[in-house]
Amino acid sequence: DAKTTQPTSMDCAEGRAANLPCNHSTISGNEYVYWYRQIHSQGPQYIIHGLKNNETNEMASLIITEDRKSSTLILPHATLRDTAVYYCIVRGPSAGGTSYGKLTFGQGTILTVHP
Amino acid sequence: KAGVTQTPRYLIKTRGQQVTLSCSPISGHRSVSWYQQTPGQGLQFLFEYFSETQRNKGNFPGRFSGRQFSNSRSEMNVSTLELGDSALYLCASSDPGQLNYGYTFGSGTRLTVV
Repeated sequence: DAKTTQPTSMDCAEGRAANLPCNHSTISGNEYVYWYRQIHSQGPQYIIHGLKNNETNEMASLIITEDRKSSTLILPHATLRDTAVYYCIVRGPSAGGTSYGKLTFGQGTILTVHP
Repeated sequence: KAGVTQTPRYLIKTRGQQVTLSCSPISGHRSVSWYQQTPGQGLQFLFEYFSETQRNKGNFPGRFSGRQFSNSRSEMNVSTLELGDSALYLCASSDPGQLNYGYTFGSGTRLTVV
């Protein structure tokens, strides 16, 4: 699975959009970009994933650059409850062998939303 | 749908003892993965089970083992506990039948070894 690079920490004012970047310059053609977040002492929570097109769901939007070497997770109106560690993960489609069940987590971005 | 349930929520054990943690996946999910989270190493993959078979394993010593039952519930066991095994143990379930499926994590078991 491709390696990702994220900023260690970011701040955001409540009500503003939070834009979390992720670099994945070695991503392969069939690898997807997944975002998870982990609120303190809870299990990671799936947010969104995409291949090459921009994606949006009720939680967030995912913007993937045309060359697919980077992406941005957008929380359109951040709230205090969005304070968490956000993980960007690149993973191939459900494949066999060493891919089964495995997500490779980096250190993530600590997002702090302040009043 | 009920979420992924892990029991117990907290556990304190003594060095040298062994421990068993339990994970009940989302109904219909047949894949269960286990992770260890520590402040120093972050989230690390332990192993994955599907249809009662271990399909993948991370780089952990043989003291860490697991199994899965016919109802997809899974247990992991750590024998001869060491202080360094203190961690949050998380399990995640998924439905490999869905293309590009996501994983649903439980709230974890916080293990403290003293």
